[in-house]
Amino acid sequence: DILITQSPSSLSASVGDRVTITCRASQRISNYLHWYQGKPGKAPKLLIYGASSLQSGVPSRFSGSGSGTDFTLTISSLQPEDFATYYCQHTYNIAPTFGQGTQLEIK
Amino acid sequence: QVQLQESGPGLVKSSQTLSLTCSVSGGSVNSGTYYWTWIRQPAGKEVEWIGRVYTTGSTGSTHYNPSLKSRLSISLDTSKNQFSLKLSSMTAADTAVYFCARGIRYGSSEFFDIWGQGISVTVSS
Repeated sequence: DILITQSPSSLSASVGDRVTITCRASQRISNYLHWYQGKPGKAPKLLIYGASSLQSGVPSRFSGSGSGTDFTLTISSLQPEDFATYYCQHTYNIAPTFGQGTQLEIK
Repeated sequence: QVQLQESGPGLVKSSQTLSLTCSVSGGSVNSGTYYWTWIRQPAGKEVEWIGRVYTTGSTGSTHYNPSLKSRLSISLDTSKNQFSLKLSSMTAADTAVYFCARGIRYGSSEFFDIWGQGISVTVSS
């Protein structure tokens, strides 16, 4: 099974900060890595698919990069609505798995 | 605009079967383009893919998480534009928020572009 390790597990930042979240796969998974934003009581939101493609309607301050085993999600300038939990997910196997999540909190 | 909405009981007794339904509006579950998927997240734990159903011609096909396969059934009702989950022999470990989602094939499985809001299910003894 492919293990996805997401870091950090939590992060404190301020509005306007640049933030980076990382996912590392236990084996090469090409670009089969996707990013989501989750908020309590709301439907999770797809941000990035295929490692670097921005989902329609998602602000351009969100970007993704990486291939193989190492991937990053970057928020270029944090906005108040960005404080949430972020998850990565791979689709290399028939049974996809998710990272452990990164809780982004206001400093 | 496609929307998904989960429905079902919020409380299930231990050893009983959980039945959840996902109603799809603004699109058809009969589209062979998408997977229709169940996902769950226990409080404080990782998000877990449960399984998927999709149409292949006139029939539905399924794939299940191996850890749940022996207790799980996912089905499609094209007449009601819904898909459903049945998970038997529920235990406290199955307490979680359950989500339904629309999946887009990418690689060997799918990412999820549209999710329901989730339904909280608690297993009581």
